[in-house]
Amino acid sequence: AQSVTQLDSHVSVSEGTPVLLRCNYSSSYSPSLFWYVQHPNKGLQLLLKYTSAATLVKGINGFEAEFKKSETSFHLTKPSAHMSDAAEYFCVVSDVGMRFGAGTRLTVKP
Amino acid sequence: SQTIHQWPATLVQPVGSPLSLECTVEGTSNPNLYWYRQAAGRGLQLLFYSVGIGQISSEVPQNLSASRPQDRQFILSSKKLLLSDSGFYLCAWSVPRSSYGYTFGSGTRLTVV
Repeated sequence: AQSVTQLDSHVSVSEGTPVLLRCNYSSSYSPSLFWYVQHPNKGLQLLLKYTSAATLVKGINGFEAEFKKSETSFHLTKPSAHMSDAAEYFCVVSDVGMRFGAGTRLTVKP
Repeated sequence: SQTIHQWPATLVQPVGSPLSLECTVEGTSNPNLYWYRQAAGRGLQLLFYSVGIGQISSEVPQNLSASRPQDRQFILSSKKLLLSDSGFYLCAWSVPRSSYGYTFGSGTRLTVV
């Protein structure tokens, strides 16, 4: 069985400071892992994905995530937050279907 | 190119009324199709997935049903809506046995009153 836990329901950062959104997963198989972003009143957009290649994955808009098997984690980071990063972020583990985390709402303060 | 269409964008329905949400995919064949629901303040929950025409798997017991009458058409239905059915419904498709990820429709916001 697969599951995913996003450790923070809400993260608030100041513009220009680093972003860390935490995600832990469990899976019976070698998982594919994703991060999706959902801006207000818009659909889901794929940020990045891990599929058993390089453990450090680079995505769009300066985001990246590192797959750590020993810690069963796939945390999302960005060196410097921008106002436009304010959105809901979902960590996802994929087997037959995708299992979404509960989401982390990122707020960026000026 | 592949596109996914989902409609309507918003819907307000009274309790006890029927529901039909439609999703179609263009530009691909034999996609895996999915229905998700996002309830207020919660994450996305997988409701149904389909790997072929007439093949529907239900992830959670509920008041809803799904059908796939054609290869690229996926329908979410209910005979009698409950207040708890309110939420944001997303259709998605993926390439079978691919790790590419999923493409989502723009969603339907359903309010049951």
